[in-house]
Amino acid sequence: GAGVSQSPRYKVAKRGQDVALRCDPISGHVSLFWYQQALGQGPEFLTYFQNEAQLDKSGLPSDRFFAERPEGSVSTLKIQRTQQEDSAVYLCASSLNRGLGQPQHFGDGTRLSIL
Amino acid sequence: AQSVTQLDSHVSVSEGTPVLLRCNYSSSYSPSLFWYVQHPNKGLQLLLKYTSAATLVKGINGFEAEFKKSETSFHLTKPSAHMSDAAEYFCVVSVKNTGNQFYFGTGTSLTVIP
Repeated sequence: GAGVSQSPRYKVAKRGQDVALRCDPISGHVSLFWYQQALGQGPEFLTYFQNEAQLDKSGLPSDRFFAERPEGSVSTLKIQRTQQEDSAVYLCASSLNRGLGQPQHFGDGTRLSIL
Repeated sequence: AQSVTQLDSHVSVSEGTPVLLRCNYSSSYSPSLFWYVQHPNKGLQLLLKYTSAATLVKGINGFEAEFKKSETSFHLTKPSAHMSDAAEYFCVVSVKNTGNQFYFGTGTSLTVIP
């Protein structure tokens, strides 16, 4: 079956531009997570959705970062007025539900480069 | 607070020899633990998970991990390395009170020498 799909795979933007990153989770998965992975580091949590509700956004680094999942399936991570420190791989993951021990299924990520 | 420490940033082994990737965790609650593998420019693939059942967990591609509560460890092993095992490996902890949020280690890069 289809896995988690992210687009675009690569995005280059100039500093100050806005960008939007898309995530299509596995069909039927209730939980959706966004992570930021800097070069040579492990992924770090950004935000979490259960269906359309954003239950945790404690990892978003600034108010320039905004995520939504309006119909409880596809999610978009938006970064406004991008800065060079936003350059990273952004990973999306989904899981069947919120239960402890549920594995998360990851997309291939979007590599964002800010010039 | 939850955290994961991967004790080696790089591990190099010869093909056909055993693999040991070390992971220690810190958690205030009973954790779930995972190992994921990441090949270059790809997403993370689940190798195995521990969720309070058997302490010795078998995963895909011949990998195993043993949960040792007394040592707060969850080391990943494989009896015989293959060239295809060369990748980045991440140890992950999650706990119920944080909504199953994942906490990642910094990763171990595995090199397999022919």
